[in-house]
Amino acid sequence: EVQLVESGGGLVQPGGSLRLSCAASGFTFSDHYMDWVRQAPGKGLEWVGRSRNKANSYTTEYAASVKGRFTISRDESKNSLYLQMNSLKTDDTAVYYCAHPHSNNWGGAFDIWGLGTMVTVSS
Amino acid sequence: IQLTQSPSSLSASVGDRVTITCRASQGISSYLAWYQQKPGKAPKLLIYEASTLQTGVPSRFSGSGSGTGFTLTISSLQPEDFATYYCQQLNDYPVTFGQGTKLEIK
Repeated sequence: EVQLVESGGGLVQPGGSLRLSCAASGFTFSDHYMDWVRQAPGKGLEWVGRSRNKANSYTTEYAASVKGRFTISRDESKNSLYLQMNSLKTDDTAVYYCAHPHSNNWGGAFDIWGLGTMVTVSS
Repeated sequence: IQLTQSPSSLSASVGDRVTITCRASQGISSYLAWYQQKPGKAPKLLIYEASTLQTGVPSRFSGSGSGTGFTLTISSLQPEDFATYYCQQLNDYPVTFGQGTKLEIK
């Protein structure tokens, strides 16, 4: 069964850092693009960023709102995706989801989602 | 690329036919997806590439459009369909979502 499980959320002060993890199972992790999406309380969905697959050297893309502060990485040996979040702002408060595109091509929609992990940035 | 959904909210009854529209600020070919989200849950993929029904999604859901105009239609609303619906473009970075359409029971 294909599954994504996020962890690492919690309460952090503005300016602080946090690393989220997403454990993947049920598919060949290195072959697939992976994404992070977030949702602030009571708000809509916001794409955070992408890790391409191994064949594309795990290169990354980011939303303008997080570029330079957030970093996406992977550990192939652990089938895990990470989101390192630095210089956190109150606006970063959200549920963070990892998601699996059904295709690595343009148009690959997110067919598998984790349950999400809550990040609260507050003093 | 900005996506604008209309309406932002909608009240309808069980059995109604409902259509939600998503308009893109520039052409995105057919690289548009639709998701359903219920409170406290992750989004669920309904439609991808504008009109392809995701495996396991009931056939009362359908999508159409290309370029800049897209629609999601639910042919006969069921009680479990009351939720928030989002469109998403996957034609260019950054990937973007519409603001959502909340479908409520009348």
